[in-house]
Amino acid sequence: DAKTTQPNSMESNEEEPVHLPCNHSTISGTDYIHWYRQLPSQGPEYVIHGLTSNVNNRMASLAIAEDRKSSTLILHRATLRDAAVYYCILRAHNNAGNMLTFGGGTRLMVKP
Amino acid sequence: DTGVSQNPRHKITKRGQNVTFRCDPISEHNRLYWYRQTLGQGPEFLTYFQNEAQLEKSRLLSDRFSAERPKGSFSTLEIQRTEQGDSAMYLCASSPAGALAHEQFFGPGTRLTVL
Repeated sequence: DAKTTQPNSMESNEEEPVHLPCNHSTISGTDYIHWYRQLPSQGPEYVIHGLTSNVNNRMASLAIAEDRKSSTLILHRATLRDAAVYYCILRAHNNAGNMLTFGGGTRLMVKP
Repeated sequence: DTGVSQNPRHKITKRGQNVTFRCDPISEHNRLYWYRQTLGQGPEFLTYFQNEAQLEKSRLLSDRFSAERPKGSFSTLEIQRTEQGDSAMYLCASSPAGALAHEQFFGPGTRLTVL
């Protein structure tokens, strides 16, 4: 699976939008972009995934650049509960087992 | 609670001892994964099962590690002759099978400390 690059940490104020960037310049045409998050003392939790088009769900939005070399996870209104490590992961289409390759992620801190 | 469960949640052992962890996946999920996470790092894939068949093993899974899923339901991960470097969080995840099954559901993990 191709590599992703994320900032080590970011800070946000409560109730403000948060944009978490991810660079994946070596992405191949059929790699899916996945986001997971890990709250303190818990296992990772699926957030969202996409291939080419922007995606929205109840948790977040995923904006994918036209060349697919970067993406942004958008939390529309950060809450204290959103403080977590956010992982951007590429999954190759031929990864039949759907194994996930996690990087270091971005630690999001939310200030009240 | 119908999520993924793992037992025990914490295990402290002495170097050289054997330990076994259990994972109960979501009942209708065919796939089961084991990952390991050390402090400050993201999880690393160890192995996965589709039903009872172990289909992939990472190079991280040394000969001292063995995983089973005998009836395609729960799984066990055994570490023999534990070393201090085995200290980590061991995470289990499950998902339905198929290329469209994008979401993996993780358990809370078993934290192993080897003294």
